[in-house]
Amino acid sequence: GEDVEQSLFLSVREGDSSVINCTYTDSSSTYLYWYKQEPGAGLQLLTYIFSNMDMKQDQRLTVLLNKKDKHLSLRIADTQTGDSAIYFCAVRSNDYKLSFGAGTTVTVRA
Amino acid sequence: EPEVTQTPSHQVTQMGQEVILRCVPISNHLYFYWYRQILGQKVEFLVSFYNNEISEKSEIFDDQFSVERPDGSNFTLKIRSTKLEDSAMYFCASSSNRGLSEKLFFGSGTQLSVL
Repeated sequence: GEDVEQSLFLSVREGDSSVINCTYTDSSSTYLYWYKQEPGAGLQLLTYIFSNMDMKQDQRLTVLLNKKDKHLSLRIADTQTGDSAIYFCAVRSNDYKLSFGAGTTVTVRA
Repeated sequence: EPEVTQTPSHQVTQMGQEVILRCVPISNHLYFYWYRQILGQKVEFLVSFYNNEISEKSEIFDDQFSVERPDGSNFTLKIRSTKLEDSAMYFCASSSNRGLSEKLFFGSGTQLSVL
């Protein structure tokens, strides 16, 4: 099955950019997602990218996909305290299931 | 904005007891899912459900687990005889279609603690 890996923790200063990285193993992965989980809340879909794209930008969020290296990243520009959360990378292959990483806990410090 | 709601938010039970986790998917959605996350581990797929039957399930979803849509709004996950290793956060999700581009909307989860 699909194996999705993320680093577990990221600490960033308010106003700086955050970059969260994710690697996956299945080259047939079709859609790749970033979810955000705030304390006590569900998994909120932030953005997604189709595997035939290499970049997608949505306001402060930029997703980069390197399909050759099976590497996905999420960049958050001008990180704010409200961006403190756990960020999950998720990958969908042809079997429709989502395979998740363990989540990256982002802490924004003043 | 429509959302998936799950109850209860926390459930504590004794080993061997039955638990039912409840979910109300988004009203016009047709596909329903359960995922779980054991503390410190990845979110794992359990089961998908469509047209009143299971469409796909993982190896985790053994005979102790069952799902049901008892009425037009609720979607439940039952664990018949809970084990310590069933302790996890259980997420319900729904989507309007099953296409590969379809987005899943998740609830806020039920934290199950088996003592």
